[in-house]
Amino acid sequence: GAGVSQTPSNKVTEKGKYVELRCDPISGHTALYWYRQSLGQGPEFLIYFQGTGAADDSGLPNDRFFAVRPEGSVSTLKIQRTERGDSAVYLCASSRFGQGNEQFFGPGTRLTVL
Amino acid sequence: TQLLEQSPQFLSIQEGENLTVYCNSSSVFSSLQWYRQEPGEGPVLLVTVVTGGEVKKLKRLTFQFGDARKDSSLHITAAQPGDTGLYLCAGAGGDNAGNMLTFGGGTRLMVKP
Repeated sequence: GAGVSQTPSNKVTEKGKYVELRCDPISGHTALYWYRQSLGQGPEFLIYFQGTGAADDSGLPNDRFFAVRPEGSVSTLKIQRTERGDSAVYLCASSRFGQGNEQFFGPGTRLTVL
Repeated sequence: TQLLEQSPQFLSIQEGENLTVYCNSSSVFSSLQWYRQEPGEGPVLLVTVVTGGEVKKLKRLTFQFGDARKDSSLHITAAQPGDTGLYLCAGAGGDNAGNMLTFGGGTRLMVKP
């Protein structure tokens, strides 16, 4: 498909466990964004990549959250020592940098921490 | 910190009625976008407004950007059940030097047949 894909679509884990969430952006899109959407709220920015580097990680809530994009394409959001408050839908978006900032979103990964 | 406030949070109307959703901020944005999100899916872009005072129409949807580029509205004429969903406004640029979007809290619309 031509859109942004995210895996898994659902992830249930126990408090204290480690999780990885994957995002495959649209081919050729240099910019990649992670957002978190809690129930009944709008998405909140987490981190933005331009190419392989994290251009802005000011939205990461604490040092348990980390994201990488080693080859400038696929990105992985990593959460250590998960807490119940981390439960949310994690959205990934990509854009062709410099063209009106239109971001294309994936379907999200619904993370539930028990 | 830039904030966008959307109102109303919830709206339940009958098919054929008109409605307006508001998006307000104390910050200036270089552009403002409106998205629609269905359950289990990511937000899908409806429109981007860039110029203060700009009005854009998308079939029965009319979007307006405030003169000062701090607020926006979405007006739907003769709503249909297919319009049901979560409507999100999002601002880009302005005080924020990066490329991330600042989202409002969303307006959940239900149109009853």
